[in-house]
Amino acid sequence: QVHLVQSGAEVKKPGASVKVSCKASGYTFTSYYIHWVRQAPGQGLEWMGIINSGGGSTSYAQKFQGRVTMTRDTSTSTVYMELSSLRSEDTAVYYCARTYGWLIDAFDIWGQGTMVTVSS
Amino acid sequence: QSALTQPRSVSGSPGQSVTISCTGTSSDVGGYNYVSWYQQHPGKAPKLMIYDVSKRPSGVPDRFSGSKSGNTASLTISGLQAEDEADYYCCSYAGSYISVVFGGGTKLTVL
Repeated sequence: QVHLVQSGAEVKKPGASVKVSCKASGYTFTSYYIHWVRQAPGQGLEWMGIINSGGGSTSYAQKFQGRVTMTRDTSTSTVYMELSSLRSEDTAVYYCARTYGWLIDAFDIWGQGTMVTVSS
Repeated sequence: QSALTQPRSVSGSPGQSVTISCTGTSSDVGGYNYVSWYQQHPGKAPKLMIYDVSKRPSGVPDRFSGSKSGNTASLTISGLQAEDEADYYCCSYAGSYISVVFGGGTKLTVL
């Protein structure tokens, strides 16, 4: 069965960084792309960026350019999303989601979400 | 403010049909046939319901259907059931620069 399992909740202070993991199982990891989507409390979904699980190339939403880094480890089928210079507005649930194509395909499998709270 | 515009809420009685609209521009919804719809229950991850405007993943009931006209995509749910009560989000490819945009979400209430 196909799964994306994310790391646990995080509490960070403003200005710090957070690194969230997303471990894939049940499919050929390098054949798919992983996106990160976040959802602030009571708000809608916001796309952050994409990583090619095979080649490692990335593309980030303009809003997060310079603050987000997505990496992958093919030996453990895990993708990481690191967000730096955290501020209170970054408090959200962060989801990883899979697509078969680079940007045009739909997100067919989602992780369970990771709550990141930014508070002093 | 979200890139795609959805009504904040819609409602319907069991057995009825409801339609949720998703309005964008010629640079996203109107320019590509890559619109998808997601259902999200409280505290849960989104679930894919429709992709490529009108295609249904296996396991999604045929009560769910999608369409598009110009810059507006629509999700129609027929034969409403209590378990359909959830938030629904549309999503579109928006070109290689903007990439992916979501709607603000619509809360469906089954009366």
